[in-house]
Amino acid sequence: GAGVSQSPSNKVTEKGKDVELRCDPISGHTALYWYRQSLGQGLEFLIYFQGNSAPDKSGLPSDRFSAERTGGSVSTLTIQRTQQEDSAVYLCASSFQRGQETQYFGPGTRLLVL
Amino acid sequence: SQQGEEDPQALSIQEGENATMNCSYKTSINNLQWYRQNSGRGLVHLILIRSNEREKHSGRLRVTLDTSKKSSSLLITASRAADTASYFCATSRGSGNTGKLIFGQGTTLQVKP
Repeated sequence: GAGVSQSPSNKVTEKGKDVELRCDPISGHTALYWYRQSLGQGLEFLIYFQGNSAPDKSGLPSDRFSAERTGGSVSTLTIQRTQQEDSAVYLCASSFQRGQETQYFGPGTRLLVL
Repeated sequence: SQQGEEDPQALSIQEGENATMNCSYKTSINNLQWYRQNSGRGLVHLILIRSNEREKHSGRLRVTLDTSKKSSSLLITASRAADTASYFCATSRGSGNTGKLIFGQGTTLQVKP
């Protein structure tokens, strides 16, 4: 079946604008994760969704970042009032269940904030 | 913050040679995974080793885990130019955890033809 997909592949925006990044997990996967990869910070966890449970938002760097997952499938990561330091590759991953299973990553969205 | 530290940061070898990368971590884990990344984009899962396992093989890959030393190694045997990539270890922590992965800084491997 299809893997994790993300859109857009690339996004260039101006400082101060809002952006939305989309993730379609593998069908049947209940756990969904967002990570960020930047030059200075490496790969960082942002947020996690599992079924109908409250998400783990412990990795979100500021209140400008938010995410939702509708219907237990597609997820959207929103960054408000973007800053240049938000420039990074945003990676989404899904797994069949939390904790014990392999996470499958999408190709990422490369965000550049000018 | 990153839990894992990997060494070396960069490794350059000739095709046919073996490549060994090491990863250390700080806290108790459920499992440790190795991923490959080409050209700074999507991560490809290579192998998962659970905390009660000591060694695992997958094709030309061999992973070891030493929980007493909180370290793991990835061995790629008979390397190929196509193995050129960045390799990351990632740990999933113990009970009560959501399963989020904590990544090391990665090892950049170059395999020269």
